[in-house]
Amino acid sequence: GENVEQHPSTLSVQEGDSAVIKCTYSDSASNYFPWYKQELGKRPQLIIDIRSNVGEKKDQRIAVTLNKTAKHFSLHITETQPEDSAVYFCAASRRRDDKIIFGKGTRLHILP
Amino acid sequence: NAGVTQTPKFQVLKTGQSMTLQCAQDMNHEYMSWYRQDPGMGLRLIHYSVGAGITDQGEVPNGYNVSRSTTEDFPLRLLSAAPSQTSVYFCASCRDTSSYEQYFGPGTRLTVT
Repeated sequence: GENVEQHPSTLSVQEGDSAVIKCTYSDSASNYFPWYKQELGKRPQLIIDIRSNVGEKKDQRIAVTLNKTAKHFSLHITETQPEDSAVYFCAASRRRDDKIIFGKGTRLHILP
Repeated sequence: NAGVTQTPKFQVLKTGQSMTLQCAQDMNHEYMSWYRQDPGMGLRLIHYSVGAGITDQGEVPNGYNVSRSTTEDFPLRLLSAAPSQTSVYFCASCRDTSSYEQYFGPGTRLTVT
């Protein structure tokens, strides 16, 4: 079955700097890759996603890149702000009626 | 539109007790799932359902049962609670898993003593 690896488990960056979180997946049939943000004590919420027919997607300070050949995808956050402090999860799924598997998460700390 | 609701929010069980965690959604989503979240382990899939009458196992199904008799409801049953099942449980739903956002419920914090 699908396996999603996420790195690093913890990341600290200075406010205003960029943060990058990386994920790899094992199933070459996976075609949908969402990223979720979970603030302390709250439920996960989708922040950006990418499908396998696209190499990069941006939404303001957040971008996701996908390398299908290498089976990895990354989340990029630029100009980090205190409210970016949270746990971020990557995930992968194969098709509309299949399960979604999550990585173990990255705890991002934005340092003042 | 309430989204995804879960009850209870908190629960304490003794080892060996059984209970059902309730999950409901009012968005007419076909796909529903249960995850458990433990420190350092991320969100691990317990069971999922792609429609009424259809369920399947996820990554960590042992000790849990599910059923999906209606599109709206997807209860998770703990058969005989064990301390290893102490966790935060999230229910989630989406239209389908190929390109649609999963909406999560608020979670249930379960402690088994």
